[in-house]
Amino acid sequence: SAVISQKPSRDICQRGTSLTIQCQVDSQVTMMFWYRQQPGQSLTLIATANQGSEATYESGFVIDKFPISRPNLTFSTLTVSNMSPEDSSIYLCSVYPGPWHNEQFFGPGTRLTVL
Amino acid sequence: AQTVTQSQPEMSVQEAETVTLSCTYDTSESNYYLFWYKQPPSRQMILVIRQEAYKQQNATENRFSVNFQKAAKSFSLKISDSQLGDTAMYFCAFMKPAGGGGADGLTFGKGTHLIIQP
Repeated sequence: SAVISQKPSRDICQRGTSLTIQCQVDSQVTMMFWYRQQPGQSLTLIATANQGSEATYESGFVIDKFPISRPNLTFSTLTVSNMSPEDSSIYLCSVYPGPWHNEQFFGPGTRLTVL
Repeated sequence: AQTVTQSQPEMSVQEAETVTLSCTYDTSESNYYLFWYKQPPSRQMILVIRQEAYKQQNATENRFSVNFQKAAKSFSLKISDSQLGDTAMYFCAFMKPAGGGGADGLTFGKGTHLIIQP
């Protein structure tokens, strides 16, 4: 399995500001993903973080609002830009090590509250 | 696109009882993976069990087993001898392999809140 850490674990931010969330894996992985979990809801895929190229966003999510970087095979960041209270959620990264695992491992999540 | 449906928002059983959580899905794919994830209050997503669509045999992991009915697109989770530590949100999820040894992101159901009563 993969060991995944996220920073920060939680934050309280003011509306109009931006927050960058980091995801670090202890080994090189094929793919990394970012999910949003709104209060009391299920997880929704935001985007696939592609190493060396632009992220692939799901419907309803745009790069200007959620810019993503993936500079190498073990690290990715998600920025939540120009935040509003509706952005208050848990943000989780996951990794897919490769076809020899065929499952995704999740980080501990970042709980974001926007005032 | 695929969809995952969990029709039981909440379930409650007594400790040591057996409980079954339901999940149905819709897809036009023939090769895919199905999962049950557990999310306790700590919010960490924990993989409970995995099923490959090409395998007819139902997956089992200790007290956890699935009933995978591919034709009916049904994937239920059975928890035997339930324990207090099983109290959590349970999410059913779908994953499609992608080209080049990759995979698509997971599609989740809305979840079932399982409460184990002492």
